[in-house]
Amino acid sequence: DGGITQSPKYLFRKEGQNVTLSCEQNLNHDAMYWYRQDPGQGLRLIYYSQIVNDFQKGDIAEGYSVSREKKESFPLTVTSAQKNPTAFYLCASSIDLATSAQETQYFGPGTRLLVL
Amino acid sequence: GESVGLHLPTLSVQEGDNSIINCAYSNSASDYFIWYKQESGKGPQFIIDIRSNMDKRQGQRVTVLLNKTVKHLSLQIAATQPGDSAVYFCAERSYNTDKLIFGTGTRLQVFP
Repeated sequence: DGGITQSPKYLFRKEGQNVTLSCEQNLNHDAMYWYRQDPGQGLRLIYYSQIVNDFQKGDIAEGYSVSREKKESFPLTVTSAQKNPTAFYLCASSIDLATSAQETQYFGPGTRLLVL
Repeated sequence: GESVGLHLPTLSVQEGDNSIINCAYSNSASDYFIWYKQESGKGPQFIIDIRSNMDKRQGQRVTVLLNKTVKHLSLQIAATQPGDSAVYFCAERSYNTDKLIFGTGTRLQVFP
């Protein structure tokens, strides 16, 4: 059963705590993305990765960090430096844009992060 | 469930009617467009896409129209069903970037 999985569905963060959101895909996609979704706003790009061991900052990278050690995994860490982390976080993947015309991004089910 | 947009424009249609959802884009260099459907508390689901060398593309019960002159994109849903109720948003990609830019979305409500 192919697709993108995110865990957990809900995550609670205490003040000053770092938390990590998981994203896994078995679609053999090269590129992976993290977005943040706030009510009434479009998706905003946090980080993206087009190949293993490489990633680039998106539009709102401050307070976040990522790693891409494996093709199928792209975890996102929300650090204590992110002062307003409450949001719905979405992971997506796509076939590599540099070598394919298929730019379509497919999304996971999302993780809702709440601050205690 | 969670709301993905508390103050989104809303389109209300009767079951069985056709729905038209509009999207304006700003970048004349955009060459690829996607429509997504997002139900409350879930991730966006791909519906249909279109490239800038096309004006129209049809899928199952959905049609996307692209008017490059006025930078306008629309999604038409035929015979709207209760299961179509969701937030719909468009995304565009500029030919010289590898990022998608997402609109804020329109909430579609289907009533019997």
